[in-house]
Amino acid sequence: AQSVTQLGSHVSVSEGALVLLRCNYSSSVPPYLFWYVQYPNQGLQLLLKYTSAATLVKGINGFEAEFKKSETSFHLTKPSAHMSDAAEYFCAVSLPMGGTSYGKLTFGQGTILTVHP
Amino acid sequence: NAGVTQTPKFQVLKTGQSMTLQCAQDMNHEYMSWYRQDPGMGLRLIHYSVGAGITDQGEVPNGYNVSRSTTEDFPLRLLSAAPSQTSVYFCASSYSPGRRSYEQYFGPGTRLTVT
Repeated sequence: AQSVTQLGSHVSVSEGALVLLRCNYSSSVPPYLFWYVQYPNQGLQLLLKYTSAATLVKGINGFEAEFKKSETSFHLTKPSAHMSDAAEYFCAVSLPMGGTSYGKLTFGQGTILTVHP
Repeated sequence: NAGVTQTPKFQVLKTGQSMTLQCAQDMNHEYMSWYRQDPGMGLRLIHYSVGAGITDQGEVPNGYNVSRSTTEDFPLRLLSAAPSQTSVYFCASSYSPGRRSYEQYFGPGTRLTVT
C-alpha cells in the first residue's frame, strides 16, 4: 500500500518569496508522484508528475519538484511566489504496475498556500 | 475534446433519496475513478474501473455503486443518501499507468448536500 503525508496544512508566503510545499511518501515499489493544484470551486489541475524519468521535474507556472528516493520526498518549489499561486495543493502517489494498487491515486491532505502582497 | 464532464454541478438530496452522478470522458481512457473531497482529508477513492465491464472498490465504497458499460461513461449511484455523503465528488480518467502519458484528468466536480 502507498501513502502520502503533506507537512503543513497551511503555508503563508510573501509575494516574491520562495514557495516550498513538503510531501513525503511511502511505497513498496518505486512510485509515480504528482502535484495537483485546486483553485477555489474548481477541479484539480496537474502541475507536474514524476514517472521514473528525470528526478527533477519542471511543471507549469514555474513550479518544480525533485524526487529524492533516499528521503522518500517529492517537495514542490517555486523561486518567486505570485498572488495567482494562492490555491490548495495536493501531492499524490500511484503505483505504476501490478498489484491491487495498480493505477490508484492516493492523495495527501492538501496544503493551502496563501500569498501576501 | 471536452475532457471529463460531470453532471450535475450542484445537488441537494434528502436523507434516503437515491441519485446518480454522471461522468463522461471523450479521450478514450481506459481508467476512470470517483473520488470524494472533504475538508482536511484530501481526495479519497470511492470506486474505480480499469476498463468497460470491470470495476473495483476504493478506500470508501460503502453507500455507493458503479458500473461501466462503455469506455466513455462511469456513473456513480448513491443508493440511499446520508448526511455523511455530503461532499464534493470528482470523476477522473487516465490511460493505463504503463504509458508515458499517464496522468489523471479531473472533471469540474459535483457538490452534493444531503439534508
